Amino acid sequence: EVQLVESGGGLVQPGRSLRLSCAASGFTFDDYTMHWVRQAPGKGLEWVSSISWNSGSIDYADSVKGRFTISRDNAKNSLYLQMNSLRTEDTALYYCAKGASMILVLTSFDYWGQGTLVTVSS
Amino acid sequence: EIVMTQSPATLSVSPGERATLSCRASQSVSSNLAWYQQKPGQAPRLLIYGAYSRATDLPARFSGSGSGTEFTLTISSLQSEDFAVYYCQQYNNWPLTFGGGTKVEIK
Repeated sequence: EVQLVESGGGLVQPGRSLRLSCAASGFTFDDYTMHWVRQAPGKGLEWVSSISWNSGSIDYADSVKGRFTISRDNAKNSLYLQMNSLRTEDTALYYCAKGASMILVLTSFDYWGQGTLVTVSS
Repeated sequence: EIVMTQSPATLSVSPGERATLSCRASQSVSSNLAWYQQKPGQAPRLLIYGAYSRATDLPARFSGSGSGTEFTLTISSLQSEDFAVYYCQQYNNWPLTFGGGTKVEIK
């Protein structure tokens, strides 16, 4: 059974940093592109970032480019999101999601974690 | 950026009736279109990928159609568990983008 478990969320002041983690199990982690998707309270879904199986292809939404860094450790079956210079508009539930294709980087998301809440407020 | 527009924003349907949800892309996404269902307090669930392929174990009452810029998700006979918010997503180009969602509510 595929499981994705996010952690690391919390309350943080504007301008500070936070690191999210996602522990994956139930599939061959290093075969798949992984993604972060967020959802502000009461709002829709927003893609944040993606990283290919070997970290060779990385992309970010313009809203986080230059502030967030995605990474992965295939030996630990883990995905990360380093979030710097946080803004109030970054407040959201952050989901870790598995790419649906073993080959393609541009994919749908076939499994999602339950999310970790990041609140940016003074 | 490809803008995904979903309509209607809210759809009121009686149980057992048919629901038709629309998703329009601002430029062609070929068949690289997925649909997700999200219930309150839950993570999204993949329903349809490749515009019309059903995800594993998805009931046959869900079907997807379309290509290019116009897509449809049809639920042939709504069950109580189908009342939720539905999102479309394109994965043809970066950045990956979602529609704003359609809430399917009980009439």
